[in-house]
Amino acid sequence: SSELTQDPAVSVALGQTGTITCQGDSLSSNYASWFQQKPGQAPLLVIFGQNNRPSGIPDRFSGSTSGNTASLTITGAQAGDEAEYYCNSRDRNGNYWVFGGGTKLTVL
Amino acid sequence: EVQLVESGGGLVQPGGSLRLSCAASGFTFSSFGMNWVRQAPGKGPEWVSSISSANGYTQYSDSVKGRVTISRDNAKSSLYLQMNSLRPEDTGVYYCAREAWFGALLKLDYWGQGALVTVSS
Repeated sequence: SSELTQDPAVSVALGQTGTITCQGDSLSSNYASWFQQKPGQAPLLVIFGQNNRPSGIPDRFSGSTSGNTASLTITGAQAGDEAEYYCNSRDRNGNYWVFGGGTKLTVL
Repeated sequence: EVQLVESGGGLVQPGGSLRLSCAASGFTFSSFGMNWVRQAPGKGPEWVSSISSANGYTQYSDSVKGRVTISRDNAKSSLYLQMNSLRPEDTGVYYCAREAWFGALLKLDYWGQGALVTVSS
């Protein structure tokens, strides 16, 4: 089982705002990163260090943290945002990487 | 452009061995920690192993410890994963991923396209 817990599925209407959450003890001492993965592709980093976007990632992706819960928010969701999203952080002691089980985002 | 290209995957019988390689380009390989992350069919990613840039310090997940060895050849900009005593539960896509610092933040910023490992009789 994952050390980070995600809801299996989230849906959002086209153009609206959707939020994906991730819970885990490690998040009280480590920031989360978020990855987008489309079928047959490698994970793509979209948010790191709570709310930093790599070059090329649209600003409609944002992140936040409260206590041991991290959130990924997609503002103005587009059809191309439909994908599996995984959260990731260092473990509680900062020794290794942990991942969430993933959230399937559907854009209606 | 950063590129990571895995190779060496395939079908292997339980108890068998396999060596994965990851060829890196577009960055100074010796300056970055590297990781292997696997993903079983329909599951989330699972960290397998890491190797540091500086002194080659290695770490392994409990699920592979004692069966897997990570190594790197900085002269060849290559990362390796030697896997022995393979089990059906080792089946999945194996990704190499670069670890990078952004100030005080550590991130897995680039991933290869993955190598499929299937352990089955």
